[in-house]
Amino acid sequence: AQTVTQSQPEMSVQEAETVTLSCTYDTSESNYYLFWYKQPPSRQMILVIRQEAYKQQNATENRFSVNFQKAAKSFSLKISDSQLGDTAMYFCALRESQGNLIFGKGTKLSVKP
Amino acid sequence: DTGVSQDPRHKITKRGQNVTFRCDPISEHNRLYWYRQTLGQGPEFLTYFQNEAQLEKSRLLSDRFSAERPKGSFSTLEIQRTEQGDSAMYLCASSPRLARQDEQYFGPGTRLTVT
Repeated sequence: AQTVTQSQPEMSVQEAETVTLSCTYDTSESNYYLFWYKQPPSRQMILVIRQEAYKQQNATENRFSVNFQKAAKSFSLKISDSQLGDTAMYFCALRESQGNLIFGKGTKLSVKP
Repeated sequence: DTGVSQDPRHKITKRGQNVTFRCDPISEHNRLYWYRQTLGQGPEFLTYFQNEAQLEKSRLLSDRFSAERPKGSFSTLEIQRTEQGDSAMYLCASSPRLARQDEQYFGPGTRLTVT
């Protein structure tokens, strides 16, 4: 069965510093996509970054980057120069052939001034 | 606003009542998904549509749940004989095509409270 595990229920970081959120997953497919979604308090979920499994190069989007380790089935998110607006729940998600997303339980990130 | 919209945003109902939620996807998005999110958990897949066809249903979708997407536009999710365990946030998402990498755009959700 496909699973996504986020082992850090909560994390905090000082403004302008760097934080890394962890995610591991399990799948039997060779090609799949991985995503990080952000859910701010009382607001809708938005995509932060995506990674295609067969691409070795780690994805980056401005201050957000991933460390994708396919053999270890690890997909961590690094947020550089953290901003107050980064405060949110962060969900790691896996997408296979069915099209639906399989989410982890999330990590609550607090950015402190 | 051309994002995914959901109505109502909040619903309080008594156990045993029926409720219906609506989702309006982004125009021309042919895939539509329903997820359920309980407190402290990530969203869990319920069902999805490709245009008007319901292609997959999760085991979470008991026979008290039914979803439709007439004419491939908006979708409704109905829960009959609600139970307290149905209390959750119901999220709708849409995506423009079949490719796996396509981003799913989420609506704000409908929070259901069953008393």
